[in-house]
Amino acid sequence: NAGVTQTPKFQVLKTGQSMTLQCAQDMNHNSMYWYRQDPGMGLRLIYYSASEGTTDKGEVPNGYNVSRLNKREFSLRLESAAPSQTSVYFCASSGAPGNSPLHFGNGTRLTVT
Amino acid sequence: SQQGEEDPQALSIQEGENATMNCSYKTSINNLQWYRQNSGRGLVHLILIRSNEREKHSGRLRVTLDTSKKSSSLLITASRAADTASYFCATDAGGNTPLVFGKGTRLSVIA
Repeated sequence: NAGVTQTPKFQVLKTGQSMTLQCAQDMNHNSMYWYRQDPGMGLRLIYYSASEGTTDKGEVPNGYNVSRLNKREFSLRLESAAPSQTSVYFCASSGAPGNSPLHFGNGTRLTVT
Repeated sequence: SQQGEEDPQALSIQEGENATMNCSYKTSINNLQWYRQNSGRGLVHLILIRSNEREKHSGRLRVTLDTSKKSSSLLITASRAADTASYFCATDAGGNTPLVFGKGTRLSVIA
């Protein structure tokens, strides 16, 4: 079982470039999440999808878009990257929001210059 | 804004000692969860304690929850160098909302 798989592992972008972070889970989970982790800030929720076909904003959604492609896949898009988006991005999945444990991928380390 | 706040921010102990980390939160919760993060990796779920539970054990881990004080503690007994990691609490406020994470405690266990 792969669990939650994120690609790519590392990425360097120039300001203004766009990219999509991919996430897939093989646990048949209903809910998927994107978090960012910055030093001293813990994890902050960007967007989540409680179930296939729905997406909702989290704490820090500005500058990002998401797509719940199907039950397995949840992608995060940066349309015009900014240095403030330099961070480590984690995708996670769970059976349902809040009431069940999250399973995390190993992260994408993004640097925007 | 973040719900849980861990204390201390960093903790350094000798192998074999016990490590205690605390988490305080602001509003009522359905459950509280603890996670571990090794350097460069994703978070791993350790334990979930529901609001009607006061204590829970899993191996060398003991979690307590005091809803009247809005606080929880994670105790790791007989720590090992492999326990070196960051530990996060996360709270579920109910209503099908996602977990909210604190900023974490960085634990160093020195062999």
